[in-house]
Amino acid sequence: ETGVTQSPTHLIKTRGQQVTLRCSSQSGHNTVSWYQQALGQGPQFIFQYYREEENGRGNFPPRFSGLQFPNYSSELNVNALELDDSALYLCASSFTSGGGDTQYFGPGTRLTVL
Amino acid sequence: QKEVEQNSGPLSVPEGAIASLNCTYSDRGSQSFFWYRQYSGKSPELIMFIYSNGDKEDGRFTAQLNKASQYVSLLIRDSQPSDSATYLCAVQRYGNKLVFGAGTILRVKS
Repeated sequence: ETGVTQSPTHLIKTRGQQVTLRCSSQSGHNTVSWYQQALGQGPQFIFQYYREEENGRGNFPPRFSGLQFPNYSSELNVNALELDDSALYLCASSFTSGGGDTQYFGPGTRLTVL
Repeated sequence: QKEVEQNSGPLSVPEGAIASLNCTYSDRGSQSFFWYRQYSGKSPELIMFIYSNGDKEDGRFTAQLNKASQYVSLLIRDSQPSDSATYLCAVQRYGNKLVFGAGTILRVKS
């Protein structure tokens, strides 16, 4: 167990709806990264939050947005859901100290878009 | 060319054998290298990380890094059926995103 928690575990939405996924980071960690993992693929970087600011973004459209709170927990919001958004969404927690950043994953949220 | 490439497998080894998993990467600016294990339906679990050229051992696992050849490998000694999973290689520039390969499926036969 990494100490990183995510909610909900599973979610079913219909195309065009909006969804919010939540992540609580491991104690002592100050950085949260979000990844999308489609079936049979490696995780793809969505964005990272450090000290409540976005600290890097992958090749995802603006309808993917996020927040980090003062307690370092985070939310991922996806608007106007599309069928291709169906995936496992992973949150990773780490401590950014200016060097290498070892990331520990939560259990993930399985999103199905119908 | 993909940024991180892994053979998708499946790689099948008998119980007790050495499993060798390989990964190549394209970004010469990569500084940190990670191996994650992912069981079906679960999230990735960190096995090892390596920053410097050479070998790093942790129990039954050895990570090997060759930055000149842009090559990372993971050796699993005395493979067990519980090692059967998908192994993800990930590379990172300082601090920021992990770039993953698609993973290699390992099957350990008892």
